[in-house]
Amino acid sequence: DAGVIQSPRHEVTEMGQEVTLRCKPISGHNSLFWYRQTMMRGLELLIYFNNNVPIDDSGMPEDRFSAKMPNASFSTLKIQPSEPRDSAVYFCASSLAGNVAAQHFGDGTRLSIL
Amino acid sequence: AQKITQTQPGMFVQEKEAVTLDCTYDTSDPSYGLFWYKQPSSGEMIFLIYQGSYDQQNATEGRYSLNFQKARKSANLVISASQLGDSAMYFCAMREAQGGSEKLVFGKGTKLTVNP
Repeated sequence: DAGVIQSPRHEVTEMGQEVTLRCKPISGHNSLFWYRQTMMRGLELLIYFNNNVPIDDSGMPEDRFSAKMPNASFSTLKIQPSEPRDSAVYFCASSLAGNVAAQHFGDGTRLSIL
Repeated sequence: AQKITQTQPGMFVQEKEAVTLDCTYDTSDPSYGLFWYKQPSSGEMIFLIYQGSYDQQNATEGRYSLNFQKARKSANLVISASQLGDSAMYFCAMREAQGGSEKLVFGKGTKLTVNP
């Protein structure tokens, strides 16, 4: 079975540019999560969706970040304009809804903003 | 206060021996779930094991077991018969059921090195 698919795997861009990260969750999963991992702050939840509806976006750093889930099989995380401090690994994860369901992670996107 | 505390930044173990990775948590929610993930140097996050707060028995998955001590609010991961491939970062995480949130809060992680 295909796992969570993220693209691109690596992204290097200059500050001020728009960055779009993409995620395809596991088929049948109805919850989707975006995380950011840095050395300083560890793994942080940015936002999560349930049945394509944003439920908790309290972790989104600021207005430069936005996330969408137009359908059950696709989500995007957009940064505009990007800044060097946005450099991190961004993970997408999906799960079945429910407290006992484990979240399954994609391989991550390593983002570097120059 | 930190929700999840992993006090061991790094641990070393000899191949074939058992190792315990510590995790303590802080919550007032009576219903919660505890998770362990492995992150090898290649970067992916791999789910290992889950323990629910109402589970009567400690969770086990192959060579992984969870030493769940509810009164002490600890959920230590035990890896038996360590293998070289177990060298990785290990993260403990908690999900509180209050309000139906699915949010996972992660600890800072423990870097495990298995020596031959």
